[in-house]
Amino acid sequence: ETGVTQTPRHLVMGMTNKKSLKCEQHLGHNAMYWYKQSAKKPLELMFVYSLEERVENNSVPSRFSPECPNSSHLFLHLHTLQPEDSALYLCASSQGHNEKLFFGSGTQLSVL
Amino acid sequence: GESVGLHLPTLSVQEGDNSIINCAYSNSASDYFIWYKQESGKGPQFIIDIRSNMDKRQGQRVTVLLNKTVKHLSLQIAATQPGDSAVYFCAEISARNTPLVFGKGTRLSVIA
Repeated sequence: ETGVTQTPRHLVMGMTNKKSLKCEQHLGHNAMYWYKQSAKKPLELMFVYSLEERVENNSVPSRFSPECPNSSHLFLHLHTLQPEDSALYLCASSQGHNEKLFFGSGTQLSVL
Repeated sequence: GESVGLHLPTLSVQEGDNSIINCAYSNSASDYFIWYKQESGKGPQFIIDIRSNMDKRQGQRVTVLLNKTVKHLSLQIAATQPGDSAVYFCAEISARNTPLVFGKGTRLSVIA
């Protein structure tokens, strides 16, 4: 195991639903990340938190809302998603900002 | 309409042979490089890294070579095993405060 745990592993939601993805890291790292991985594109960085402050927001639509309550936990709140948002959402952490990343297993999201 | 997936380069290798996976990077200022392995249904896993002050680094059955002159990185896997079948990504960091940039990946298929 990598020390980064994501839940749920799979999620199916309708376009009007609200759901949240959860990530927890047990590595004592200071930075956490959300990535999107779809069949059509390579890994896309969505958000970066360093010491619980958001330091990167890569033009992500507002229907994705991150939350980092402490250095061990990261959430991605989802609302009114579109079918094209279906993808594998990966959480990662690193000791410092932009050092070697450790990834969770991801949440496979399907939007109907 | 027809969906178009991300077509990854594929390398097919006979079990027991050595594999070489290549990656070209774009930024001559990149000073840190990482190889990741992603198996089906899992997040990317760290394999090996190298800093720009080195041109070779060895791990267990893996070797990373860095050629800064031509901006090329390679991953060599010795005695390839079926468990090595996965998608392999290279990643680079180009400056202290920029995020890791991932390549598109190469799919390695091991033929038993």
